[in-house]
Amino acid sequence: DVVMTQSPLSLPVTLGQPASISCRSSQSLVHSDGNTYLIWFHQRPGQSPRRLIYKVSKRGSGVPDRFSGIGSGTDFTLEISRVEADDVGVYYCMQATLWPLTFGGGTKVEIK
Amino acid sequence: QVQLVESGGGVVRPGDSLRLSCVASGFTFSRSDMHWVRQAPGKGLEWVAFIRNDGRIVYADSVKGRFTISRDNSKNTLYLQMNSLRADDTALYYCTEGRVDFDYWGQGTLVTVSS
Repeated sequence: DVVMTQSPLSLPVTLGQPASISCRSSQSLVHSDGNTYLIWFHQRPGQSPRRLIYKVSKRGSGVPDRFSGIGSGTDFTLEISRVEADDVGVYYCMQATLWPLTFGGGTKVEIK
Repeated sequence: QVQLVESGGGVVRPGDSLRLSCVASGFTFSRSDMHWVRQAPGKGLEWVAFIRNDGRIVYADSVKGRFTISRDNSKNTLYLQMNSLRADDTALYYCTEGRVDFDYWGQGTLVTVSS
């Protein structure tokens, strides 16, 4: 199975400052169709996950452009250019390239 | 708008069975691929099962042989039949749409397995 390793586990951030979360996969996530199916989710307490980024860097509908995804192969990053109070919660990466699909363990973002 | 509504959760004993449902609306269900994803209390997300629009099915090893995913396109409904339930199946179960999309999620239905 593909192991997805996120870091850090916890990320205290200052409002208005940038933040960055890393996600590494144990195998390349490049699909045979040429796409890389790496997805980022945000989950607030008591809510369902919300997709932020798909195919590494494509922002989902309604997702602010403060969020961006970069990376390739096995190394991926979610960047928040200026953290807002609404951004607290847990962020997960997930790979949908290889079966079984697997998630990272999550990164908890909180305001300092 | 797209809506996914899960139901069927509850409190059961180890070894019991339960069937979850997910009613879909706002998109062409028969053409869509669907997943079940679960989240144990206070834990991360775990992918459980997938069913393609043509019926192809994939399971996580942790549920293979015990859970069965199915769909009824005439009712726009996705199912998860869960047999031989164990304590570590305790989780909030979500349905979500699309082979690689994961754009729409339900609110989840809670399954608690406890003696």
